[in-house]
Amino acid sequence: DTGVSQDPRHKITKRGQNVTFRCDPISEHNRLYWYRQTLGQGPEFLTYFQNEAQLEKSRLLSDRFSAERPKGSFSTLEIQRTEQGDSAMYLCASSSGRDRRAHYGYTFGSGTRLTVV
Amino acid sequence: QKEVEQNSGPLSVPEGAIASLNCTYSDRGSQSFFWYRQYSGKSPELIMSIYSNGDKEDGRFTAQLNKASQYVSLLIRDSQPSDSATYLCAFWRYNNNDMRFGAGTRLTVKP
Repeated sequence: DTGVSQDPRHKITKRGQNVTFRCDPISEHNRLYWYRQTLGQGPEFLTYFQNEAQLEKSRLLSDRFSAERPKGSFSTLEIQRTEQGDSAMYLCASSSGRDRRAHYGYTFGSGTRLTVV
Repeated sequence: QKEVEQNSGPLSVPEGAIASLNCTYSDRGSQSFFWYRQYSGKSPELIMSIYSNGDKEDGRFTAQLNKASQYVSLLIRDSQPSDSATYLCAFWRYNNNDMRFGAGTRLTVKP
């Protein structure tokens, strides 16, 4: 396993279209996260899965965003009716750890850069 | 007050000097702290984690944590041009199961 994989690396879409991104985490990691990063800012939390359960979702995330992680393996992030403000780098990260009070840091994927025109 | 604040950049140091990066956080419940390095156009890469007050050294990197002051720092000794990147401070929020990041400090090491 070479790390966290994200697909596609780049996506250009017209405003109003739907887009879907995929993330394959490190196989032994049970935690999976989606973040969004815009230029000059740090990554902004979107949502979190532990195995197949979506345990946290940012209040900043509009109803146009949905994420799934069927069978606790890969995850998809869908954005419906894209807007220009959705243009950003979408980062997936995974981590391991059975004790939720400890944390060991993330391994990030290479990201998907979305441009909405 | 932002949840995570980092010293404003950009920061420029000559090769071989010590680079000092600082970060403050507002959530007193934070238990785990991290430094990530992000090269331009790339994703963040974990370089240091620290959980207890005091210093933690790893090669040329030293992380310092002071929970009473809600302050964490990263020192890079013998800075190299390859250290030129944006450094992100982050903390883990136990109650929310997520990690919060600062905006980053851009470091340039000049040969």
